[in-house]
Amino acid sequence: QVQLQQSGPGLVKPSQTLSLTCAISGDSVSSTSAAWNWVRQSPSRGLEWLGRTYYRSKWHNDYAVSVKSRLTINPDTSKNQFSLQLNSMTPEDTAVYYCARNRPGAPFDSWGQGTLVTVSS
Amino acid sequence: DIAMTQTPLSLSVTPGQAASISCKSSQSLLHSDGKTYLYWYLQKPGQSPQLLIYEVSNRFSGVPDRFSGSGSGTDFTLKISRVEAEDVGVYYCMQSIQLPQTFGQGTKVEIK
Repeated sequence: QVQLQQSGPGLVKPSQTLSLTCAISGDSVSSTSAAWNWVRQSPSRGLEWLGRTYYRSKWHNDYAVSVKSRLTINPDTSKNQFSLQLNSMTPEDTAVYYCARNRPGAPFDSWGQGTLVTVSS
Repeated sequence: DIAMTQTPLSLSVTPGQAASISCKSSQSLLHSDGKTYLYWYLQKPGQSPQLLIYEVSNRFSGVPDRFSGSGSGTDFTLKISRVEAEDVGVYYCMQSIQLPQTFGQGTKVEIK
């Protein structure tokens, strides 16, 4: 049974960088049959997929166009986790951020607990 | 991006009665591999979303058989045959035929 445990701050100042981590147990970030995603949820934007990282002989990343210039998702094989870094935060980035696993035929079959991130000075 | 439109946005149901949620996509979700990439999720109050149905009509592990999915192309339906108190929450459809994966606005189900 895979479990995803998120960590990171709940408050970020405008223009700063948000850093979140998702620790994986019960699976491997290097799995060749999974992809590791970040999704956020806000009243104004609903559920919004942000991006993913996955390993298929080499590491790959995909990002939503809306955040592509500001988002980096990195795997950490030594700690079996992956991270999100979102630069130049604005109040519009205020949301609950989730990490989630994709497997073939079962996208987002496991989710982290969510982190409410507020962007405010 | 593929737009996902759900109706209704809210539903109040008597326990034991049936409920139905519609989801329409702006493009066909039928892939050339023969699969249709439409999924349903339930977000219970205070929780993360959970996968209910994958590829239109397949119940995910542990999902009760009172939940069923149907549809094809761009029109899909989630049915709950006999609503129970534990079914309250917001239901979302999602497509994964192309990136970005996109979700419907959600349908809030409450018990009368």
